[in-house]
Amino acid sequence: GESVGLHLPTLSVQEGDNSIINCAYSNSASDYFIWYKQESGKGPQFIIDIRSNMDKRQGQRVTVLLNKTVKHLSLQIAATQPGDSAVYFCAEIRSNDYKLSFGAGTTVTVRA
Amino acid sequence: NAGVTQTPKFQVLKTGQSMTLQCAQDMNHEYMSWYRQDPGMGLRLIHYSVGAGITDQGEVPNGYNVSRSTTEDFPLRLLSAAPSQTSVYFCASSSGGGRGYTFGSGTRLTVV
Repeated sequence: GESVGLHLPTLSVQEGDNSIINCAYSNSASDYFIWYKQESGKGPQFIIDIRSNMDKRQGQRVTVLLNKTVKHLSLQIAATQPGDSAVYFCAEIRSNDYKLSFGAGTTVTVRA
Repeated sequence: NAGVTQTPKFQVLKTGQSMTLQCAQDMNHEYMSWYRQDPGMGLRLIHYSVGAGITDQGEVPNGYNVSRSTTEDFPLRLLSAAPSQTSVYFCASSSGGGRGYTFGSGTRLTVV
């Protein structure tokens, strides 16, 4: 599968391969970490979240990993499909006032 | 259930004009936020609200005002439009807890 160790703004993936998108966060006081998917011309769409007291959570074809030691978050997409082509953002929610802050996005392009 | 509704979808303003971007949600969410997204960039928080009557500034509040007189509505006012405010604006709402925020489809604003 395709993966990046550090955050890169773009990721090209062969259809059917696994994708890994990485993100670094800054706020140790965040309560939730969230991955959003944004398709062209649309608003961000919730994919999966993980609470700060967890290190892994699985959804349908997606897995989020949280490493609080190095403040790193990753999103794994299994068997990447053309419909997965989009910009993916990590985000964190501050626990005291539920403020949502976004990280840098990664543009994923799926090759047929 | 319409979710988060933003109006208008597109708007062109002349420098110095004022206008209000409307945002309404029908999910009885406490938390609401406004973001702007510039080309190739992530979403930056303008203002947010933790409930009716309570608002606070985000990262980029200058040139914008908000109010939250009801739970449902969270309008964003541009006081004197500038070309630097050309952007796509997203409104979002949340009930708190997991799943983060639900986003509207955005308002594309051009200031000439």
